[in-house]
Amino acid sequence: DADVTQTPRNRITKTGKRIMLECSQTKGHDRMYWYRQDPGLGLRLIYYSFDVKDINKGEISDGYSVSRQAQAKFSLSLESAIPNQTALYFCATSDQGTSEGDTQYFGPGTRLTVL
Amino acid sequence: AQKVTQAQTEISVVEKEDVTLDCVYETRDTTYYLFWYKQPPSGELVFLIRRNSFDEQNEISGRYSWNFQKSTSSFNFTITASQVVDSAVYFCALSEAKRGANNLFFGTGTRLTVIP
Repeated sequence: DADVTQTPRNRITKTGKRIMLECSQTKGHDRMYWYRQDPGLGLRLIYYSFDVKDINKGEISDGYSVSRQAQAKFSLSLESAIPNQTALYFCATSDQGTSEGDTQYFGPGTRLTVL
Repeated sequence: AQKVTQAQTEISVVEKEDVTLDCVYETRDTTYYLFWYKQPPSGELVFLIRRNSFDEQNEISGRYSWNFQKSTSSFNFTITASQVVDSAVYFCALSEAKRGANNLFFGTGTRLTVIP
């Protein structure tokens, strides 16, 4: 089984709808991240969480919110989706308690299309 | 400011050729980490290597090798005897130790196509 899972894997929605993307991990890592990938722009950080009580904005947090329901779960919400939020979304985890703490491991991605 | 540049947007090679993917970075920190990730056509991101700024030894893993040169701020990735399965987008990334893993800056990626 995959260490980092994302649901759904694909989603098509309409402008104005509320959408939630979910991420779960079995790696036991304390840190979790949400990124979006757009063609030609690489990956950009939306939000990150160091633990259940710690949430931080990334480079492009406007229009998004997150919830860290448990150490293993980190969800990303689009309160009112708009077409320019069409992108590939990745969840990632890292374990600050190890010597490899700066290495992030990614989920399979969620392809979101907003019409 | 931190920046990662992958000037090669797309590269095509014929199977069995060697290919080098370039990565140039900018940082003011003395302690930082460099990474390479592979994104195959299926879309997931696969971690390949992590290197810290104090270790300039080149690394080889099978057909993959990495050349880290602080003098030129480069962390290049070479695939020897390329195979069709190497076709993917490859991302170079940088994180600065004092800012932690939350600040992972990605380049825009290089799309490698290996032609059979």
